[in-house]
Amino acid sequence: NAGVTQTPKFRVLKTGQSMTLLCAQDMNHEYMYWYRQDPGMGLRLIHYSVGEGTTAKGEVPDGYNVSRLKKQNFLLGLESAAPSQTSVYFCASRPTGGVEAFFGQGTRLTVV
Amino acid sequence: GQQLNQSPQSMFIQEGEDVSMNCTSSSIFNTWLWYKQDPGEGPVLLIALYKAGELTSNGRLTAQFGITRKDSFLNISASIPSDVGIYFCAGQLPDMRFGAGTRLTVKP
Repeated sequence: NAGVTQTPKFRVLKTGQSMTLLCAQDMNHEYMYWYRQDPGMGLRLIHYSVGEGTTAKGEVPDGYNVSRLKKQNFLLGLESAAPSQTSVYFCASRPTGGVEAFFGQGTRLTVV
Repeated sequence: GQQLNQSPQSMFIQEGEDVSMNCTSSSIFNTWLWYKQDPGEGPVLLIALYKAGELTSNGRLTAQFGITRKDSFLNISASIPSDVGIYFCAGQLPDMRFGAGTRLTVKP
């Protein structure tokens, strides 16, 4: 049972480049989340989804887009990367009616 | 900005000491959660609280859901080196918001 898997684990981008981070879960969870973690800022919610085909904005959505075409996958896109998007990105999922969120290992993204 | 205010930001303690941290919110939450993050890992749930006034323990950890539903406390008794990490409070609505974390260092 893999749980929550994030791809890639590390990436370096140049300013203006685009990329997609993939989050995959094999637990049949309805809810999925994308967070970014910066020193001293904790985990800030970027976007989340309450089910297949749905997405909603979190605290810091600007500069990011998401899609949930399949229940098991939640994609986070950066259309034009900026140095301010240098961060560690975490994906999480949780089941309907459950409180525990399960996190991936994180993706460390550096934008130069 | 953050809806959850977590304090202290960091703590440096001796092994064997007790630790206390808290979280306050501008919003009422139906569920309070406490997570721990080890270096290089994603957070893992420690304790979940469901009712105002609830006091819940998990081994050396004790957490309380504040009466106003806008705050929560986490206590760790008799700290050990493996308690090192970042502790986050989280409040759950349809989305899930986290505090900024308390970084705990335990000196042997």
